[in-house]
Amino acid sequence: GAVVSQHPSWVICKSGTSVKIECRSLDFQATTMFWYRQFPKQSLMLMATSNEGSKATYEQGVEKDKFLINHASLTLSTLTVTSAHPEDSSFYICSASPRVGDYYGYTFGSGTRLTVV
Amino acid sequence: GNSVTQMEGPVTLSEEAFLTINCTYTATGYPSLFWYVQYPGEGLQLLLKATKADDKGSNKGFEATYRKETTSFHLEKGSVQVSDSAVYFCALRAGGGADGLTFGKGTHLIIQP
Repeated sequence: GAVVSQHPSWVICKSGTSVKIECRSLDFQATTMFWYRQFPKQSLMLMATSNEGSKATYEQGVEKDKFLINHASLTLSTLTVTSAHPEDSSFYICSASPRVGDYYGYTFGSGTRLTVV
Repeated sequence: GNSVTQMEGPVTLSEEAFLTINCTYTATGYPSLFWYVQYPGEGLQLLLKATKADDKGSNKGFEATYRKETTSFHLEKGSVQVSDSAVYFCALRAGGGADGLTFGKGTHLIIQP
C-alpha cells in the first residue's frame, strides 16, 4: 500500500536556528501533500496544502515566512521551520495524496517531534 | 467554519466490552467523514469512511454510520481486544478537490485484558 516516510522522527534545535522536515512518498507519486501540526491533547491542525510545482496554500493564521514548504518533486515535500522559537515546539505530521480529490490516498507519515530550546 | 467534536479520553474498557466513541461535526455542505487510528509509534491509518448520509463505514469489526440529521459519526465495535488500544481520530473533509482534513482532538482508548 501507499507509504509515506517522514524524517526526522524527532529533532531538538536551538532557538533562532532553522529545521527542515522531509516527507517522502515511497511507492506512489504525490501530487498533493498536506502539513499538519498537533499540540498535546489537541487536534491535528491543517497548516498548508502543497501541490507539486506550485506554491503552497497556507491556512489562515499560519505564517508562510516561518513555515516554508517546498514540493519540488512528486515524491518529496519539505517543511522548514525558520528562526525557530520555543512556541514552535510541536508535533508535525505530513500527509500525501496520489491524486487530486482521492481521499483514499490520504496516507500519513509518522510525524516529527520538534523541540526548540 | 468546519469543526469536529469527539469525546474526551482516555477511555478504558475491559477486553470484549462494547465500544462507542462519539463524534459530531459542523460543516457546510455535505462533508465526507472518516475515522483514523494511530497506534503507538505509528502514523495515522484510515480505519473507515462514509461519503454521504446513511452510509455505513466498516472495517476490522468497527462501524460508523453517517447521520446527517444528528450530524454524527459515532464509532462502535461489539467486542474490543487489547490490540485495539490506540488513539482514534474523527475527521471530515468538506467539499471536493484536494482538501485537507479537519480533525477532532482524538480519543485515547485503553483496553485491559
